Amino acid sequence: DIQMTQSPSSLSASVGDRVTITCRASQTIDNYLNWYQQKPGKAPNLLIYKTSTLHSGVPSRFSGSGSGTEFTLTINNLQPEDFAMYYCQHSLRNLYTFGQGTKLEIK
Amino acid sequence: QVQLQESGPGLVKPSQTLSLTCTVSGDSISSGGFYWTWIRQHPEKGLEYIGYIYHTGTTYYNPSLKSRATISVDTSENKFSLTLSSVTAADTAMYYCTRDRIGSMAGVWMTWGQGALVTVSS
Repeated sequence: DIQMTQSPSSLSASVGDRVTITCRASQTIDNYLNWYQQKPGKAPNLLIYKTSTLHSGVPSRFSGSGSGTEFTLTINNLQPEDFAMYYCQHSLRNLYTFGQGTKLEIK
Repeated sequence: QVQLQESGPGLVKPSQTLSLTCTVSGDSISSGGFYWTWIRQHPEKGLEYIGYIYHTGTTYYNPSLKSRATISVDTSENKFSLTLSSVTAADTAMYYCTRDRIGSMAGVWMTWGQGALVTVSS
């Protein structure tokens, strides 16, 4: 299995801040890396796929980068609605796996 | 716009079989082009991929489920189902159905059901 490790596991920030979340894969996954946002009581919501492609309707303050084994999700100008859990996930091949999540909290 | 809706018992006794159904609207499973997928999320924990079914009946399962999982499809009813046998408390989770497009977008889940919480307890 490909293991996905996110850091940090939690993060405190203020509205207007810029934050970065890192995801590392235990082996190369090319650009097959996706990011999801999850709010309490809701299903995960796709933000970014294939490392850097924004899903339809996702604000441009979200961006993704990386390749191989190291990837980042950056959120610029944090908005109140951005405080949530974030998960990375590889889609290189079955068996797909997720990172353990990063909780983004209001400072 | 496709919508997915999970349904099934919220409480299952240990050693029994968990059964969930995902009803699809806004798209036809039999039209092909998508894997119809189950994912679960343990309480306060991360997400786990369970497996998928294609409209032809082809399936894939997470080996960690040790052959306890079965995914089936009913194209006449436009729904697909998950059964998980010999459940334990470790199977307590929110179960989501979703779909991903075959090919280069496999494993990218754009559309999810709202989830069905299943608790395993006597």
